[in-house]
Amino acid sequence: GAVVSQHPSWVICKSGTSVKIECRSLDFQATTMFWYRQFPKQSLMLMATSNEGSKATYEQGVEKDKFLINHASLTLSTLTVTSAHPEDSSFYICSAWDRVLPNQPQHFGDGTRLSIL
Amino acid sequence: SQKIEQNSEALNIQEGKTATLTCNYTNYSPAYLQWYRQDPGRGPVFLLLIRENEKEKRKERLKVTFDTTLKQSLFHITASQPADSATYLCALDILNTGNQFYFGTGTSLTVIP
Repeated sequence: GAVVSQHPSWVICKSGTSVKIECRSLDFQATTMFWYRQFPKQSLMLMATSNEGSKATYEQGVEKDKFLINHASLTLSTLTVTSAHPEDSSFYICSAWDRVLPNQPQHFGDGTRLSIL
Repeated sequence: SQKIEQNSEALNIQEGKTATLTCNYTNYSPAYLQWYRQDPGRGPVFLLLIRENEKEKRKERLKVTFDTTLKQSLFHITASQPADSATYLCALDILNTGNQFYFGTGTSLTVIP
């Protein structure tokens, strides 16, 4: 099946640091990538939708200047959490999807656990 | 506003029984609905997709139904096993564009040996 690689899987850093998370689709073209945030025992909250070559579309309440998304190729999207603070600590998950193929599921990475001290 | 609810946060059943999970939604008419499994500390894994014109879909021990009148999907695991213990999420393509998916609250299933 389709494989999505997310890196790093775990990050611990000091407050004020910027952190970049990578999401790669290894064996298919991801025309669209989604970024989610998940708090303990809660469901996935969609943060933004990113189409290759276009600016990301952010969900209401998500700061675009805080969470920078780049989707420059069909196999890679990055999420940069800028000037991270403890409240940004969370589990971030990406998923990849090929909109050319109808009714296909999203394929998820294994997430990045971000801890800001 | 959008709302996707799944029954009880946690469901415990005895091994060998059938687990039934519910996904209810309001204010939408999705073209299709998906079910995912998520294990702790991992990303969700796709299980089944059912389209609005399909009443039922099966895959091995899994069965999904989709009632667009009731705005509800049921997810069944027959002959449940301890290895089926996980959180199960339903997801809807809200705008029917294939470009924006929202997930339900999730149900944590524990199968007791």
